[in-house]
Amino acid sequence: GAVVSQHPSWVICKSGTSVKIECRSLDFQATTMFWYRQFPKQSLMLMATSNEGSKATYEQGVEKDKFLINHASLTLSTLTVTSAHPEDSSFYICSASGLRNEQYFGPGTRLTVT
Amino acid sequence: GNSVTQMEGPVTLSEEAFLTINCTYTATGYPSLFWYVQYPGEGLQLLLKATKADDKGSNKGFEATYRKETTSFHLEKGSVQVSDSAVYFCAPGDADGLTFGKGTHLIIQP
Repeated sequence: GAVVSQHPSWVICKSGTSVKIECRSLDFQATTMFWYRQFPKQSLMLMATSNEGSKATYEQGVEKDKFLINHASLTLSTLTVTSAHPEDSSFYICSASGLRNEQYFGPGTRLTVT
Repeated sequence: GNSVTQMEGPVTLSEEAFLTINCTYTATGYPSLFWYVQYPGEGLQLLLKATKADDKGSNKGFEATYRKETTSFHLEKGSVQVSDSAVYFCAPGDADGLTFGKGTHLIIQP
């Protein structure tokens, strides 16, 4: 099946700094990429949807100025958590969708803000 | 939008027991239906899917049938193994993305 990678797999940062997470589709062109957030022992929550070359669409309650999403190419989307705080600590997962709308998930990035 | 209700866990079974994890959904259209699995310390993996009514998805001994009349997509396996211990997510999906259930933590004891 299709492969989606995320980098880094885990990151620890200090409060107030920014962190960039990359999501890459390795063997197909992802017209749409999705970013999810998973709190411990809870389900995933869709944060935003990004289409290549256009601005991301954010879900209600998600601050677009805090969670910057860039989808510059058909194989790469980035999520930047700006001015991170401890409450932003979470597991961030991306997924990529191609022409058949099936989503392939990345392995996730564990963010810990101290 | 779509929504999904999934039985809450944890579900604890003995090895070789029969498994059913219930999932019902509401949708404005006709979504595809997915089961995803998350093994400890790993990301999500697609377990199986069904794209239209009466379709049956199957993989690794797991099965689920798209029941439009009851808006359900229950996950079943005839004989579970310790290695099946994981969190299972039911999710209707369409071009707008996936809507996940809360996840069911499955624990299989030897």
